[in-house]
Amino acid sequence: DIQMTQSPSSLSASVGDRVTITCRASQGIRSYLNWYQQKPGKAPKLLIYAASSSESGVPSRFSGSGSGTDFTLTISSLQPEDFATYYCQQSYSTPMFGHGTKVEIK
Amino acid sequence: QVQLVQSGAEVKKPGASVKVSCKASGYTFSNYGISWVRQAPGQGLEWMGWITAYNGNTEYAQKFQGRLTMTTDTSTSTAYMELRSLRSDDTAVYYCARDISVTTPNWFDPWGQGTLVTVSS
Repeated sequence: DIQMTQSPSSLSASVGDRVTITCRASQGIRSYLNWYQQKPGKAPKLLIYAASSSESGVPSRFSGSGSGTDFTLTISSLQPEDFATYYCQQSYSTPMFGHGTKVEIK
Repeated sequence: QVQLVQSGAEVKKPGASVKVSCKASGYTFSNYGISWVRQAPGQGLEWMGWITAYNGNTEYAQKFQGRLTMTTDTSTSTAYMELRSLRSDDTAVYYCARDISVTTPNWFDPWGQGTLVTVSS
């Protein structure tokens, strides 16, 4: 199975900060990488699919990049509603999620 | 709007089975797949398997092979996930999610509200 390593596992940031979360695959997955946001007690929500395509309705401050083994989710200016846990997920082979990155208020 | 509505919470004893339903609306059910993902308390997301409503093909994660069955009923646009031989570490919230692909698992959107399954003696 292809393993997904997210970093950091958690971070503290302030409103307005630029936040970057990385996801590394144990082998090349081309652009088969998706990002989700999950708030406490809620179902995950798709943000980015195919590494860099934004899901309809997702604010433009969220962007994704990368291909092969290294991927990035960037929040250009953190908003209060963005405090949540973010997961990457590869769909190149048997789907696998990263362990998540919790974004907390500084 | 596209919506997935899951059945209610379940409490089961070790060794029992659970069957969770996921009713889809707002889209053509047979044009997409359904993936099932679970989340143990305080833990991350774990993909369990996928079924295509197009022809019933399935793909299961290796760790669930032999005790997991996914089915669909296209007449009611409902997907089902049955997990057998339950253990305490199967206690989790189980989610269904619409999968963009009918040929292989891909990305998941939207998700159902989740069903808490508690396994306890």
